[in-house]
Amino acid sequence: GQQVMQIPQYQHVQEGEDFTTYCNSSTTLSNIQWYKQRPGGHPVFLIQLVKSGEVKKQKRLTFQFGEAKKNSSLHITATQTTDVGTYFCATTWGGSRLTFGEGTQLTVNP
Amino acid sequence: DGGITQSPKYLFRKEGQNVTLSCEQNLNHDAMYWYRQDPGQGLRLIYYSQIVNDFQKGDIAEGYSVSREKKESFPLTVTSAQKNPTAFYLCASSPGQGSTEAFFGQGTRLTVV
Repeated sequence: GQQVMQIPQYQHVQEGEDFTTYCNSSTTLSNIQWYKQRPGGHPVFLIQLVKSGEVKKQKRLTFQFGEAKKNSSLHITATQTTDVGTYFCATTWGGSRLTFGEGTQLTVNP
Repeated sequence: DGGITQSPKYLFRKEGQNVTLSCEQNLNHDAMYWYRQDPGQGLRLIYYSQIVNDFQKGDIAEGYSVSREKKESFPLTVTSAQKNPTAFYLCASSPGQGSTEAFFGQGTRLTVV
């Protein structure tokens, strides 16, 4: 079915190291969204990308949408313990059908 | 306070019983969604609704039913036909076409014994 694949499933880093998660699709996407879910919490929207090659930054977070609009990445520079959680990519199909990747669970060792 | 409310936070039911999870939003959003999340897993789409009185099946609709009689409400019934109902259920809403940022409720953790 229509889905986005996300890798890696888990990532363990030392505080201060960088982190990247990737989202891939076999079909062209109309948009890509990124969410963060803290342990025990609910997903919270971070950003949406819609343009080919788009790059957006939020402090230490950098989001990219591929030129072909089939992949995306989220990069965190110099991780902190507050970055702990699961990061999901998501996309809409046919306007409103919002589906999520399986997420990357990030742990940060202080 | 604007937002999306799910109740209750924890729910216990006996096997074979139907149970209805509540989801209410006062954000005036057109679209609403139900997801299931199992431990260490992603979010799987159960049902979604783009507008009042209309809804579509998601990827794992079997054993679930929904209704959308009011814009602000999208209750989910977990029926006895659902083989593994124990899970974390998340409801979300979004403005709809052209703006799909989703806002999530706090979730309901359902345990069937």
